[in-house]
Amino acid sequence: KAGVTQTPRYLIKTRGQQVTLSCSPISGHRSVSWYQQTPGQGLQFLFEYFSETQRNKGNFPGRFSGRQFSNSRSEMNVSTLELGDSALYLCASSFSGSGGTDTQYFGPGTRLTVL
Amino acid sequence: SQQGEEDPQALSIQEGENATMNCSYKTSINNLQWYRQNSGRGLVHLILIRSNEREKHSGRLRVTLDTSKKSSSLLITASRAADTASYFCASISNFGNEKLTFGTGTRLTIIP
Repeated sequence: KAGVTQTPRYLIKTRGQQVTLSCSPISGHRSVSWYQQTPGQGLQFLFEYFSETQRNKGNFPGRFSGRQFSNSRSEMNVSTLELGDSALYLCASSFSGSGGTDTQYFGPGTRLTVL
Repeated sequence: SQQGEEDPQALSIQEGENATMNCSYKTSINNLQWYRQNSGRGLVHLILIRSNEREKHSGRLRVTLDTSKKSSSLLITASRAADTASYFCASISNFGNEKLTFGTGTRLTIIP
């Protein structure tokens, strides 16, 4: 089985721009979660999607949004980029995300740099 | 905010020695998981221990869970250079919340 894929792997943007990151989960997985990793804040949960519905959301401003398509692929969007949005964005997929008993499989991440 | 705190923040040992990392968390959990991350890349799932389990083994890994102390430990035996990585504990609470809450991580360096 192919693993979780994320595109692009690296991205450089300037303040004020917007960016869209993509995640393709493992085939058959219906839950996709997004995390932000920074040296200062560590790994923080952004949101989780299951069957095209946002099921859970972390404490991030509304500039961070996401969606999931019928094939379970997910995108996250960050509008009006700030310098502090520079981070490694990780996507994880699991079969059902049910009760936390499913293992989450992570993609390699997208390294976003905001100048 | 992060729920877990890991100790130590960094650990350097000689190849062949055992490495122990500790994790503490704040709220009641459904399960606790350990992940490895190599140099800012994706996380690799290592092991999951449920709240009603006290110890679990997987190859050279041994995980313990003490829910009364809200703590867990990860032991890597007979360490290898390839074990050099950051290790994170992550928990899912009992409150119907599916998100993983990660600890601060331990940076492990194995000296050949």
